[in-house]
Amino acid sequence: DIQMTQSPASLSASLGETVSIECLASEGISNDLAWYQQKSGKSPQLLIYAASRLQDGVPSRFSGSGSGTRYSLKISGMQPEDEADYFCQQSYKYPWTFGGGTKLELK
Amino acid sequence: EIQLQESGPGLVKPSQSLSLTCSVTGYTITSGYDWSWIRKFPGNKMEWMGYISYSGSTNYNPSLKSRISITRDTSKNQFFLQLNSVTTEDTATYYCAGYYSHFDYWGQGVMVTVSS
Repeated sequence: DIQMTQSPASLSASLGETVSIECLASEGISNDLAWYQQKSGKSPQLLIYAASRLQDGVPSRFSGSGSGTRYSLKISGMQPEDEADYFCQQSYKYPWTFGGGTKLELK
Repeated sequence: EIQLQESGPGLVKPSQSLSLTCSVTGYTITSGYDWSWIRKFPGNKMEWMGYISYSGSTNYNPSLKSRISITRDTSKNQFFLQLNSVTTEDTATYYCAGYYSHFDYWGQGVMVTVSS
C-alpha cells in the first residue's frame, strides 16, 4: 500500500496567517492527490484534486502544489471558517489511501 | 444536486455482521461514478473500504477482502455494505461516497460501535 505521511498533525494559526500542510507519499503518485476539509460534525468536502486544481466553489485562498512524492496544501490568509480537519488522499494505486489528517485551529 | 445518505444500526455485537445502506438522490448510480465506502476510526485514521462501480463491478481493500461485500439495488438507487465477523476494531464512522477521479460526494456518515 502507498503510505501517506501527513504533517503536522495539528496546527494553530492566527487570523490572516498563511498555513501549509504537507503530505509525503511512500512512492511517486503522479499528482493523483486530493485534499479534503472536514469541519466538526460534517462530512468531508473536496478542496483540491489532481494536486493543484481547485474544486468549484472553494475559495481561492486554498491552493495545492507538489509532484512526485511530496505535496502541500496552502491556505493564504487563515479565516475562522477554515478551522477544520484536513487530509490528503491518493488515487494513484489501489488501495486508495489517506493521510493521517491535520487539525487546524484558529489561535 | 447529488446527495448520499447512510443508514443502518449504530450498534453491532462482536462476531456479527455490519450492514449499512447508502441511498443516492439526484443521480442514477448506474450512470457513472464508483460508489465507495470509507470509514474514519476514533483517532481520525481514514480507510477506503471498497467500491461498486456504475457497471456493477467491485473493488475491495485487500485488508478487508475476506470480510467485505458491496452490493446494490438499482431499482432503489441504493448500494450496501456488509462487513462480516466484526470486532471492536471496526468501531468507526462509516461514510458512503461517490468517486470520479476523487471523492466528489459524501454522505453525512453513520457512527457504528461494535460492542457486546
